[in-house]
Amino acid sequence: NAGVTQTPKFRVLKTGQSMTLLCAQDMNHEYMYWYRQDPGMGLRLIHYSVGEGTTAKGEVPDGYNVSRLKKQNFLLGLESAAPSQTSVYFCASSDTRTRRGAFFGQGTRLTVV
Amino acid sequence: KNEVEQSPQNLTAQEGEFITINCSYSVGISALHWLQQHPGGGIVSLFMLSSGKKKHGRLIATINIQEKHSSLHITASHPRDSAVYICAVGVRGGGADGLTFGKGTHLIIQP
Repeated sequence: NAGVTQTPKFRVLKTGQSMTLLCAQDMNHEYMYWYRQDPGMGLRLIHYSVGEGTTAKGEVPDGYNVSRLKKQNFLLGLESAAPSQTSVYFCASSDTRTRRGAFFGQGTRLTVV
Repeated sequence: KNEVEQSPQNLTAQEGEFITINCSYSVGISALHWLQQHPGGGIVSLFMLSSGKKKHGRLIATINIQEKHSSLHITASHPRDSAVYICAVGVRGGGADGLTFGKGTHLIIQP
């Protein structure tokens, strides 16, 4: 049982390049989320989804887009990367019906130069 | 917006010591989460609780709703417990969309 899987684990981008981070979960969870983690700060919510085909903005959505075309996948896109987007990105999923809390991926370390 | 404060920010202890990490929050919540993050690693959910106390192995989490305070205890600490422990509070449901995270407590257990 893989849980939540993020790809890639590491990436270096040049300013202005685009990329997509993939999050996949095999627990049939309805809710999925993308967070960023920066030094000295708590995790901050970028975007989230409460079900297939739905997305919503979180605390820091600017510069990012997301899509949830399939229930098990949640994609985070950077259309034109900026150095301020250098961070560690975490995907999470949860099922509020079980109240077991959220399951997190291993993280993606992104550096924009 | 809920403010989540953790203390201490950093803690170094000797193997075998009893560890306490504290979390305070400013607004009423529906659930509080304790998470563990190892260096360079992912985040693991340890507990989700809305009242009372939960225990898993050497880990114990308590919450006092009236005082808006939670503690995470580690008994018989071991070097493998070295990690960042993160407190997060939710204001609706059990999902992560409404979570506000603390900055974490960096714990080092020396042999």
